[in-house]
Amino acid sequence: EAQVTQNPRYLITVTGKKLTVTCSQNMNHEYMSWYRQDPGLGLRQIYYSMNVEVTDKGDVPEGYKVSRKEKRNFPLILESPSPNQTSLYFCASSLKGVGETQYFGPGTRLLVL
Amino acid sequence: RKEVEQDPGPFNVPEGATVAFNCTYSNSASQSFFWYRQDCRKEPKLLMSVYSSGNEDGRFTAQLNRASQYISLLIRDSKLSDSATYLCVVCPYSGYSTLTFGKGTMLLVSP
Repeated sequence: EAQVTQNPRYLITVTGKKLTVTCSQNMNHEYMSWYRQDPGLGLRQIYYSMNVEVTDKGDVPEGYKVSRKEKRNFPLILESPSPNQTSLYFCASSLKGVGETQYFGPGTRLLVL
Repeated sequence: RKEVEQDPGPFNVPEGATVAFNCTYSNSASQSFFWYRQDCRKEPKLLMSVYSSGNEDGRFTAQLNRASQYISLLIRDSKLSDSATYLCVVCPYSGYSTLTFGKGTMLLVSP
């Protein structure tokens, strides 16, 4: 089944404890991206990747890192999480870029205490 | 002016009603337009792309007005299962690598 998977789906952590949210797609998509969704603010892009080893900042990259060592994986790293990073995170992928259907993962709910 | 603006709703309609959502965008150079649907606490899913000539998919019709910089979504014969939040999504520039999402319009269809 073609899909985007994220892990973990739910996470409670404490300020400053490094964490990684994994994202994987099995559709051989080149474009992958991370979004956060907050009440009243909608979906905002954190980082995106046009292909392996090619990443760039989105609208709200502060406090986040990403890497794209393999085509299928695009992990989101929070080196030192803070409470303002409490949010719902979505990974998405598409064949080539933003002009095509974006396939979203199921989301990761993160609470930083 | 915000980049992509939508009526926040909620729109409360009875089954069978016709409902229309509007979305305005600020960048006149915007190239690609989409409507996504998001069920509560779930991931967004593409409902339909919006083409310059307008397009229809069953009960759903999308229109683009470049001169006025707005996009619309019309839902005819509303079903209970149409209850969701509808997101207007715009690609700001040709060749641009990010999307701008509206905050969404919530639709509640009641029996």
